[in-house]
Amino acid sequence: QKEVEQDPGPLSVPEGAIVSLNCTYSNSAFQYFMWYRQYSRKGPELLMYTYSSGNKEDGRFTAQVDKSSKYISLFIRDSQPSDSATYLCAMTSDNYGQNFVFGPGTRLSVLP
Amino acid sequence: KAGVTQTPRYLIKTRGQQVTLSCSPISGHRSVSWYQQTPGQGLQFLFEYFSETQRNKGNFPGRFSGRQFSNSRSEMNVSTLELGDSALYLCASSPGTSGSIADTQYFGPGTRLTVL
Repeated sequence: QKEVEQDPGPLSVPEGAIVSLNCTYSNSAFQYFMWYRQYSRKGPELLMYTYSSGNKEDGRFTAQVDKSSKYISLFIRDSQPSDSATYLCAMTSDNYGQNFVFGPGTRLSVLP
Repeated sequence: KAGVTQTPRYLIKTRGQQVTLSCSPISGHRSVSWYQQTPGQGLQFLFEYFSETQRNKGNFPGRFSGRQFSNSRSEMNVSTLELGDSALYLCASSPGTSGSIADTQYFGPGTRLTVL
């Protein structure tokens, strides 16, 4: 079993839909959780960063962390074609390291 | 502000050869991390350099090595290339000074390495 699991998709939704992207993990020591967006032929860019359990909202994006279930989610409201990309979750246990563990990514297509 | 640059963007090598990839971080950033991205394994952490010292290391064999120069530019070397080393190699820079995970990592576009 991989440390971080993520449905690879592809996930296709119509423009304006609410998108839910999820990751599960096995290491209970993880306490920092990130979501990255990666467009084709580009490097990942950080979307959201959350510490421990709870919710965090930034514009159309909401990140949720449920440490008791070892489950994290990213919600995208009013999805746009420009949101079409691969979304990667990442997590780490160490505040002083860069040793993130990434999920394999979910490919999202938002259809106009 | 210029972003993270990586050279070359594409590289084709044969098994047994060695390769050196270069990463120039954002000006003022002192931390450079290297990642390997493949369709099967996803994005995997190789190592991180801060102020010319390797600060963290992932689970890759010794064929993968790196270094960082005084101007924070970093190079990654892979010796005795194997077919399985074909991947997108990404570097990411961050300030690194606080030692905090909140330091945003900015990724470069990557170097696409193909091993034949």
